[in-house]
Amino acid sequence: DAKTTQPNSMESNEEEPVHLPCNHSTISGTDYIHWYRQLPSQGPEYVIHGLTSNVNNRMASLAIAEDRKSSTLILHRATLRDAAVYYCILWNGNKLVFGAGTILRVKS
Amino acid sequence: DSGVTQTPKHLITATGQRVTLRCSPRSGDLSVYWYQQSLDQGLQFLIQYYNGEERAKGNILERFSAQQFPDLHSELNLSSLELGDSALYFCASSPRNNEQFFGPGTRLTVL
Repeated sequence: DAKTTQPNSMESNEEEPVHLPCNHSTISGTDYIHWYRQLPSQGPEYVIHGLTSNVNNRMASLAIAEDRKSSTLILHRATLRDAAVYYCILWNGNKLVFGAGTILRVKS
Repeated sequence: DSGVTQTPKHLITATGQRVTLRCSPRSGDLSVYWYQQSLDQGLQFLIQYYNGEERAKGNILERFSAQQFPDLHSELNLSSLELGDSALYFCASSPRNNEQFFGPGTRLTVL
């Protein structure tokens, strides 16, 4: 399984943008980049995914490097509700392989 | 609320026992996945079913088995339980083998 590398933790102020990086240098051409998050005491929640182009949805934006070896999840205005563990995952058609993720702390 | 339901919410049992965890996927989702989350191992994929058939297998122990029924609900059976099986067990469903919607989980405690 192709591996992703994320910082252990990040901190943000409320109402400010947050950029969560992910490195995936061994990504293959058919791997999609998926982001999930897990709020305390809840199951993981799908955030966004992409293949080559940048993607936007109501929750976040995903910026994918041209060589696809890295990507960045962008939360445009962090709220206290966004405090969670964020997982960057390479998906190739069936199982999701979760790494340790990034713990995002949001300060008011 | 993801639309995926799991029962029971909590389960406490003893070593050597057998338990069954149940998952009802979102309406219309054909794929069901099972994951285990423990403190030392993180979230690990166990097994996937698609429309009643096993599709992919992960780090699932031989003591564990699963099935998906014609109404698409799924059950995860854990037998000869050990202390190390204590964990959160999540079920997820997917409409088209893409984004997955996770249930609230079943917390299993083996004493």
